[in-house]
Amino acid sequence: LAKTTQPISMDSYEGQEVNITCSHNNIATNDYITWYQQFPSQGPRFIIQGYKTKVTNEVASLFIPADRKSSTLSLPRVSLSDTAVYYCLVGPWMDSSYKLIFGSGTRLLVRP
Amino acid sequence: GAGVSQSPRYKVTKRGQDVALRCDPISGHVSLYWYRQALGQGPEFLTYFNYEAQQDKSGLPNDRFSAERPEGSISTLTIQRTEQRDSAMYRCASSLVPASPGEETQYFGPGTRLLVL
Repeated sequence: LAKTTQPISMDSYEGQEVNITCSHNNIATNDYITWYQQFPSQGPRFIIQGYKTKVTNEVASLFIPADRKSSTLSLPRVSLSDTAVYYCLVGPWMDSSYKLIFGSGTRLLVRP
Repeated sequence: GAGVSQSPRYKVTKRGQDVALRCDPISGHVSLYWYRQALGQGPEFLTYFNYEAQQDKSGLPNDRFSAERPEGSISTLTIQRTEQRDSAMYRCASSLVPASPGEETQYFGPGTRLLVL
């Protein structure tokens, strides 16, 4: 079971870069790393997914070291609207079956 | 285009009653997933379908919970003989392609808030 560990909460200010690190020591060879964002009263929203090295899209970057035991979500120049809960997921395959396991996530608060 | 829709958005029921929660996925999406989310927690996986076939129901808490997707589109999550501990947000998600590593992006619906009195 590839459990993930991430900080419970983080504070930042508008315009800053935010890096949220997730530990997943037991990641399996065929596991991908996926990050979701959830605003209050809404369902989670896909941000980015990667397997190794670096992935970048219009929203964020995902850095994955060679051993893949951790990953870092990087949000450039955050704004107030980036205040949300960010979930790191590893999977989806577990016990030869599909399971997306969400942890408690990281609550990011962006201040003016 | 339309996203994932769920109905009802809110459901209040008395303990012991059966409830049926509906999920209408994005048109053309092959896979459909059900989650339960308690306040302040991440979503908890319940079950999922590829087309009409239920692939994994091991996340369902007990045999009072069941789900179906008979025509590979709309899905219903049914909870029989509801208990107060069933109160939660029930979320549905869909993805264009069947779940596989690196191939899925799930789109979540707004959820159904269930309150069992």
